[in-house]
Amino acid sequence: SVLLYQKPNRDICQSGTSLKIQCVADSQVVSMFWYQQFQEQSLMLMATANEGSEATYESGFTKDKFPISRPNLTFSTLTVNNARPGDSSIYFCSSGTGLSYEQYFGPGTRLTVL
Amino acid sequence: QQQVRQSPQSLTVWEGETAILNCSYEDSTFNYFPWYQQFPGEGPALLISIRSVSDKKEDGRFTIFFNKREKKLSLHITDSQPGDSATYFCAAGTQVVGQLTFGRGTRLQVYA
Repeated sequence: SVLLYQKPNRDICQSGTSLKIQCVADSQVVSMFWYQQFQEQSLMLMATANEGSEATYESGFTKDKFPISRPNLTFSTLTVNNARPGDSSIYFCSSGTGLSYEQYFGPGTRLTVL
Repeated sequence: QQQVRQSPQSLTVWEGETAILNCSYEDSTFNYFPWYQQFPGEGPALLISIRSVSDKKEDGRFTIFFNKREKKLSLHITDSQPGDSATYFCAAGTQVVGQLTFGRGTRLQVYA
């Protein structure tokens, strides 16, 4: 399996500010994914991040709003630009070993935008 | 259009009973179906998964039944325990460590 760590585990910010969420894997992984989960709801895939290439964004998510970096095979950051109250949710990173289909999730970062 | 559907939205069972959680999907290219268990304040934890080449997968008290023709699957939790109370998500994917499409979840409550 893969262990994923996220920092911070929660954050509160003012509207219009930006914040970074970090995700670290305990081993090298090819793909990292970022998901958004609103309270008590489903997980929505935001983007796929592979090392050395630009992230691929799903419909409804843009690079300008949620830039993602993937500088190496164990690390990724998600930035939330110009945060709005509607961005208040939990953000998860996920990945897998690549040896099987299994995918694992980090503990999440709970963001509250005031 | 929702690609992965789950029912019921919430389910209550007594300790020792079998809980049955249902899932269906639209896209016939999906070939991998994991179930995740999520407790409040935590990330989803992989519980059990099945590939479309199988029709059943068992792991302790958790069993997935898969019907490819009808594009349906179900998670059976036998001898349910209060500690099983959580939200269960059915997801679907098409490749090794690929994108997953999630259902909206079933909230399970097990009473002692």
